[in-house]
Amino acid sequence: GAGVSQSPSNKVTEKGKDVELRCDPISGHTALYWYRQSLGQGLEFLIYFQGNSAPDKSGLPSDRFSAERTGGSVSTLTIQRTQQEDSAVYLCASSLGGRYYEQYFGPGTRLTVT
Amino acid sequence: AQKITQTQPGMFVQEKEAVTLDCTYDTSDPSYGLFWYKQPSSGEMIFLIYQGSYDQQNATEGRYSLNFQKARKSANLVISASQLGDSAMYFCAMSGPQGAQKLVFGQGTRLTINP
Repeated sequence: GAGVSQSPSNKVTEKGKDVELRCDPISGHTALYWYRQSLGQGLEFLIYFQGNSAPDKSGLPSDRFSAERTGGSVSTLTIQRTQQEDSAVYLCASSLGGRYYEQYFGPGTRLTVT
Repeated sequence: AQKITQTQPGMFVQEKEAVTLDCTYDTSDPSYGLFWYKQPSSGEMIFLIYQGSYDQQNATEGRYSLNFQKARKSANLVISASQLGDSAMYFCAMSGPQGAQKLVFGQGTRLTINP
């Protein structure tokens, strides 16, 4: 079946602009996650959604970052007033839910802030 | 706090040899999950193998096996009969603290398979 999809694959933006990154999870997966990977680094957790529960926002680095998940499916990560340090690959993942299920990752969005 | 340590930034192995990628973890949770992911140069994260903290046997998936030593808090990945296509970054991860579903990742090991 279809995997996790993300758009756009690449985004170049000017410092101070807002950007929106989109994630379409695997159909039937109740949990959706956003991670950030800076060059040569491991993945850094940002936020996750599980069903109708309140999202875990504990990894968001600042109030410029926000995310929503509409209808329990598609999610949008928004970064306001982008800074150069926001440049990274933003990865979305989904799973069947629960901490013992593997997460399936999308191809990522490479964000470059100039 | 959860922490994953991968002490090998890079490894070079001859094709067809077995390779062990090290991973140690730190947690105070009695129940947790351990995962390994592969990231080729294309950038996608590919799930390889999972081990639950209460699993009695080491997990295996094809050429991948996880050498789980709970007392030592280690979860090393073993790849048997390595192939050129195994060249990639490999990340060890564990489930978040206190039941959180997020994954905590190590810094990764870059594996290069030489012909």
